[in-house]
Amino acid sequence: EAQVTQNPRYLITVTGKKLTVTCSQNMNHEYMSWYRQDPGLGLRQIYYSMNVEVTDKGDVPEGYKVSRKEKRNFPLILESPSPNQTSLYFCASSAGQGIDEQYFGPGTRLTVT
Amino acid sequence: AQKVTQAQTEISVVEKEDVTLDCVYETRDTTYYLFWYKQPPSGELVFLIRRNSFDEQNEISGRYSWNFQKSTSSFNFTITASQVVDSAVYFCALVKYNFNKFYFGSGTKLNVKP
Repeated sequence: EAQVTQNPRYLITVTGKKLTVTCSQNMNHEYMSWYRQDPGLGLRQIYYSMNVEVTDKGDVPEGYKVSRKEKRNFPLILESPSPNQTSLYFCASSAGQGIDEQYFGPGTRLTVT
Repeated sequence: AQKVTQAQTEISVVEKEDVTLDCVYETRDTTYYLFWYKQPPSGELVFLIRRNSFDEQNEISGRYSWNFQKSTSSFNFTITASQVVDSAVYFCALVKYNFNKFYFGSGTKLNVKP
C-alpha cells in the first residue's frame, strides 16, 4: 500500500531535549516536505527536499533541521525544542517537483513543555 | 511574495445546501499551481484538485466544482447538495512553478448539519 509514515504519532517532551520525527515514503517520490499546522494559521512549510541531499527552507525553518540521505526518508530534527514548537506536524511526498499531488502522513502531535 | 487568503474561517450549512469556499491568492509569477486539500475530522489531508495558471477552465467532479479566475486571483470551490460527509477543513494552496515552496491558506472549516 502506497503510504507516508511518521513516527512517533504523539510526543510530549521538555524544552531543550533534542528529538527527531521520522518520515518515510514507499512510493519512490522525489519531493518530500514538512509542514506544521497551527490553529488559525493553516499549514506552513518548514523544509522541503527535491531529492537526496537536496533540501531547502520553507516559510518557517527556524529551530528545525532536516536531512535527506536516502530517497525514502526525510527526518525532522528539533535540536532544542521550545514551547512555541508545540504543533501538529505533517510530512508529505509527491512524485514531481512539488507541483504534483502531495501524499500526507498521518501527522505527529508534538507538545513541548 | 506569495500569499493565499481564505477569509471564511468557518461555514455552517444544512445538508443539501450548496456552499462555496473562497480562495484568493497573491503572486507576481505567471506560472504557478493552485491546489485544494480536504482535512476531515479524522485528521488526514486529502488532495482534491490541482490547477495550473494557464488553464482557467472550470472543473466539475461529481458534486464538486472549481472556478478559477485569474482576473480576480481567485480559485473558489463549490460543493453542490452538501452532505454530512463533506464536513471538514478545506485548504487552498499555491506553489510557484520550479520553486517548490508551498503556501497554504489558513483553511475554512465546513460544518454540514443533517
